Amino acid sequence: AQTVTQSQPEMSVQEAETVTLSCTYDTSESDYYLFWYKQPPSRQMILVIRQEAYKQQNATENRFSVNFQKAAKSFSLKISDSQLGDAAMYFCAYTDSNYQLIWGAGTKLIIKP
Amino acid sequence: SQTIHQWPATLVQPVGSPLSLECTVEGTSNPNLYWYRQAAGRGLQLLFYSVGIGQISSEVPQNLSASRPQDRQFILSSKKLLLSDSGFYLCAWSPGQGSNEQYFGPGTRLTVT
Repeated sequence: AQTVTQSQPEMSVQEAETVTLSCTYDTSESDYYLFWYKQPPSRQMILVIRQEAYKQQNATENRFSVNFQKAAKSFSLKISDSQLGDAAMYFCAYTDSNYQLIWGAGTKLIIKP
Repeated sequence: SQTIHQWPATLVQPVGSPLSLECTVEGTSNPNLYWYRQAAGRGLQLLFYSVGIGQISSEVPQNLSASRPQDRQFILSSKKLLLSDSGFYLCAWSPGQGSNEQYFGPGTRLTVT
């Protein structure tokens, strides 16, 4: 069965510095998608970044980038120049041809001013 | 552009009362639709998903039900609420093809007293 593991329940970073959130997954599929979602205190779930498994190039969205290691089944999120507005729960998720998302338990990111 | 609406935003209901939460999507056709529940500080639990009108799949046995009377309308219901039904309910839609990333509504905070 597919699983997604986020081993860091909580992370903290100084404002303007860089932080990396970890995510590993387990699947026997070769074609799939991975996502990072952000959930701020408002609890609105926001898509941050998407990675297609067949693309070797790591996805980037402004200050957010991923380190996708397909063989290791690892999908970490790097946030550069952290801002106070980045404080949120971050969820890693996986989907394959079944069109359902398998979610990690989340990592709470704290930004220190 | 596509938008997703959920209402009400908050709801306080007594045990044993009925429930109806509504979700509508604009700007797309034939989306996949999802209902999730999230306990405080926890990940998302998929309750129901739908790939078309009248097509509902249930992931978790419970006293909740879902219906999709129109292409872009998804309703979560209960005949008699339990205390354990309290939580944050999120509706989401996805294109149902390609990467199938999910986009979420603002959520409904339900408190059963």
